[in-house]
This record gives sequence, structure tokens and C-alpha cells, in this order.
Amino acid sequence: AQTVTQSQPEMSVQEAETVTLSCTYDTSESDYYLFWYKQPPSRQMILVIRQEAYKQQNATENRFSVNFQKAAKSFSLKISDSQLGDAAMYFCAYRSVARDDKIIFGKGTRLHILP
Amino acid sequence: KAGVTQTPRYLIKTRGQQVTLSCSPISGHRSVSWYQQTPGQGLQFLFEYFSETQRNKGNFPGRFSGRQFSNSRSEMNVSTLELGDSALYLCASSLATGIQEAFFGQGTRLTVV
Repeated sequence: AQTVTQSQPEMSVQEAETVTLSCTYDTSESDYYLFWYKQPPSRQMILVIRQEAYKQQNATENRFSVNFQKAAKSFSLKISDSQLGDAAMYFCAYRSVARDDKIIFGKGTRLHILP
Repeated sequence: KAGVTQTPRYLIKTRGQQVTLSCSPISGHRSVSWYQQTPGQGLQFLFEYFSETQRNKGNFPGRFSGRQFSNSRSEMNVSTLELGDSALYLCASSLATGIQEAFFGQGTRLTVV
């Protein structure tokens, strides 16, 4: 069974600084998607960035980028120039291409932005 | 384009009662999934519907059920509520199965007393 592990329950970063959130996963599949979702206090789960496993190039969305290491099964999220609005719970997630459509989530990392 | 709409936003029920939650997916999306979020267990998959058929089910008791209508709107039902059913229930819609992106609603906060 696939699992997703986020080892940092909470992190803090100074506004305008860079922070990296860690995620590892376990799967025997070769084709899958990885995501980072953000859940602010409003509870709305917002997709931050996605990565297709077959792509070697790391995904980037503005200030958000990932470091995808397929062999190591690692998928970290880097947030550059942190802003107060980035404060939220961040979930790393896995979705199989071939098997079914459920998303497997990590336990989350709560990110605090210090002014 | 309207997002995923879940109603109601908040619900308080008594143990033993039943509850129905509703989810309207993004227009054109045919796949709807439900997740339960609790502080202890995190986000857990309940079930997924596509074209009115349940395609996948998570590891939840039979008290949890759902359905999808021809317009892709979905409902989930929980019967004989228990205190442990208190949670945030999230609905996610996708264009079709196998498409990678799921868009979530704001959830229904269910409190069982």
C-alpha cells in the first residue's frame, strides 16, 4: 500500500525567507502523481503544485517549487520569499495513475510565517 | 467558473441520528470523491463516484454511504452517528477518473454530541 510521510508537524519561517517542507512516500508503482495542497484556516484545500512521476524536471509555480527525487521517493516543497498569506497547513499527497483515484495524504505540516 | 460547493458548512447532530451531506462538483466534472479529516487520523478516503457509480471505497463501516446523481452532484450519508464521526468532510471533484487534479470544496464540519 502507498504511504506518504511528512516528518515535520510544524515549521516557522521569517517573512521573505525561504522554507523547505519535506515529504517522502512509498510505492511500488512507477507511474503516479504527487501534489502539495495548502489548507488555510478557511479549510479550503488548494492545490499548490503537482508533479508527474514520469517527468524528470521539477515543477515550479511562481514562488513554489519542488525537489522530486524519484529514486529516493522524496518530494519536498520550497517556498521562496515567504508571505504572510502562505501560513497554512501543507499536505503532501500521492495519486496513482493506473489503480484508482483516491488521493493519499500525509499528516501535514503547519507552516507559520513570522513577520 | 464556480468551484466545488458543499452544503451545509456546519452541522450538529446527536448520537444515533443520521446525516446527509451534499456536494456539487465543478461544472463538467464527473468524478466526485469524499474524504474525512480529523486531527488524529488526518485525511482519509471515503469513496469515489464516477458517472453515478461507486468506483472505489475506503476502509469505513457500512454506516457511511453515498450516491451520485445524473448531474454529478453527490451526497454522502452517515447513519447511526457516533461521537467519533465528528470531523471535517471534504468533497473533491475531478474532470474524469485518471485525471490528476482534484479540486476541493470548503468542507462540512460535522459535530456529533
